Amino acid sequence: KQEVTQIPAALSVPEGENLVLNCSFTDSAIYNLQWFRQDPGKGLTSLLLIQSSQREQTSGRLNASLDKSSGRSTLYIAASQPGDSATYLCAVPLTGGGNKLTFGTGTQLKVEL
Amino acid sequence: DAGVTQSPTHLIKTRGQQVTLRCSPKSGHDTVSWYQQALGQGPQFIFQYYEEEERQRGNFPDRFSGHQFPNYSSELNVNALLLGDSALYLCASSPIIPYGYTFGSGTRLTVV
Repeated sequence: KQEVTQIPAALSVPEGENLVLNCSFTDSAIYNLQWFRQDPGKGLTSLLLIQSSQREQTSGRLNASLDKSSGRSTLYIAASQPGDSATYLCAVPLTGGGNKLTFGTGTQLKVEL
Repeated sequence: DAGVTQSPTHLIKTRGQQVTLRCSPKSGHDTVSWYQQALGQGPQFIFQYYEEEERQRGNFPDRFSGHQFPNYSSELNVNALLLGDSALYLCASSPIIPYGYTFGSGTRLTVV
């Protein structure tokens, strides 16, 4: 059974700081890994998708890396802004298990002025 | 290009009632999945539909059922509602090969 863990559970940083969110998974047989952002009470917004053959993906101030062999991914946010405040979730589908997503419980980020 | 559309956005039901939630997938996506998200938790997989059939199911009772229509849209039905069914219900669509999911804004169900 795939288990996904996200550390830390919550994080508060001052504006402008660079930060790293961590995601680990127990079964490395994954097609890809996806990072999402969720604002309170809202749906999920896809941030980055990394295919299993890739090592990293970048979008603006966001960079996500994937190390399948060690079962880890990191989301790096550069020059954080108050608008980045949200919950960040990582999710993986299992190879051969259909494409059911297994989610972590998320990291709740607060960026303060 | 419209993304995933869910309706209604909010719903209040009484314990024991039945509810139907609706989802229209992103254009070009033929697979629809439903997730339940309790407060403070990550989304939990309910089931997935492809070619109008349930292809995978998570650990949810038979009170949860669904349907996919020929135009790929989908419904989630929950019978005999319990207080514990109160949650945000998310619909996600994807191509059958998992190149990434697109989620809707969700339906907030409150059971009183």
